[in-house]
Amino acid sequence: AQKITQTQPGMFVQEKEAVTLDCTYDTSDPSYGLFWYKQPSSGEMIFLIYQGSYDQQNATEGRYSLNFQKARKSANLVISASQLGDSAMYFCAMTQVSSASKIIFGSGTRLSIRP
Amino acid sequence: KAGVTQTPRYLIKTRGQQVTLSCSPISGHRSVSWYQQTPGQGLQFLFEYFSETQRNKGNFPGRFSGRQFSNSRSEMNVSTLELGDSALYLCASSPTLLPGQGDIQYFGAGTRLSVL
Repeated sequence: AQKITQTQPGMFVQEKEAVTLDCTYDTSDPSYGLFWYKQPSSGEMIFLIYQGSYDQQNATEGRYSLNFQKARKSANLVISASQLGDSAMYFCAMTQVSSASKIIFGSGTRLSIRP
Repeated sequence: KAGVTQTPRYLIKTRGQQVTLSCSPISGHRSVSWYQQTPGQGLQFLFEYFSETQRNKGNFPGRFSGRQFSNSRSEMNVSTLELGDSALYLCASSPTLLPGQGDIQYFGAGTRLSVL
């Protein structure tokens, strides 16, 4: 069965430092998509970045990059030059071609940025 | 372009009542999905509607139902509310034309339901 694992319940990082949030996944479907979402205290789930299972290059979106290691089934999010506004919950998520509309979420990592 | 709009933002109900939540997707998006978020269970998929048809369903009891209208707006209904139904209910829309790995879902701000 498909599963997303985030092993870091919480992290503290100094402002302007880079931070890596870990995510591993499990699926038997060869075609899948991996996502990262940010959820501030307001509750809205904000899309950050996407990586398809057949993409050859790691996805990047501004300060966000996804370190995709297919053989290890990991999809870590890297935030460069962290800012105070990055403090939030971060969720790793996955869809599969067999049920593409259904997102499986990890348990999340609470990131706190220290000034 | 307006984002996903969910109404109401907050709702307080008592056990046994029923509730209807509304979701207006991003213009042009045809797929609407619903998720329940609780501290204990995390984010769980409820169901997805595409072109007024339920295309995918999670593992929730029949008290949870939904529908989608011809303009892609969706409603979710919970009947006979239980204390455990207290949660943040998130709606997401995507432009899905065919199932695929790359459909990005855009979420609304959610409806926070409290059952007393």
